Amino acid sequence: GENVEQHPSTLSVQEGDSAVIKCTYSDSASNYFPWYKQELGKRPQLIIDIRSNVGEKKDQRIAVTLNKTAKHFSLHITETQPEDSAVYFCAATSTGGGNKLTFGTGTQLKVEL
Amino acid sequence: DTAVSQTPKYLVTQMGNDKSIKCEQNLGHDTMYWYKQDSKKFLKIMFSYNNKELIINETVPNRFSPKSPDKAHLNLHINSLELGDSAVYFCASSQLGSTEAFFGQGTRLTVV
Repeated sequence: GENVEQHPSTLSVQEGDSAVIKCTYSDSASNYFPWYKQELGKRPQLIIDIRSNVGEKKDQRIAVTLNKTAKHFSLHITETQPEDSAVYFCAATSTGGGNKLTFGTGTQLKVEL
Repeated sequence: DTAVSQTPKYLVTQMGNDKSIKCEQNLGHDTMYWYKQDSKKFLKIMFSYNNKELIINETVPNRFSPKSPDKAHLNLHINSLELGDSAVYFCASSQLGSTEAFFGQGTRLTVV
């Protein structure tokens, strides 16, 4: 089955700096890679996703890159703000496999003033 | 107008008891899931139902039994609760063939 590794487990940045979270996956059949943000005590919410036929996607201050050959994908947050503080999860799935999302272990991002 | 709602939000119970968590979605999705998030925040899928049929059943003790009376509802019944069952349980839904999963607000289960 799919295995997703995520690094770092914790990340502390100064407000305005950039943050990068990296994930690797094992199953070459995976073709959809979402990123979820989970604030303390809240539900995971999708913030951005990328499909295997695209190398990069951007939405305002967040971007995701995908390297299919190396089986890794990354989340980039620019101009970080305190409200970006949360746990971020990467995930991978094959849309032909019942939409089973395999999550990474999460990254606790803390944006300091 | 909560898209995926689950009840209760908090559940404290004693070891050995049987409890249920209910989940409903009003998004018209055909696939629903149960995920478990442990104390280390690991999110792991437990079950997935598509149109009331079980399609994913991870290695979960058979004390956990999901039930889907219709495609808008997926309930989770847990027998003989153990301390290790303490976690946050998230229900989610999506449209099979589509990708975005919408999560409920979670049920924090504490077994004492």
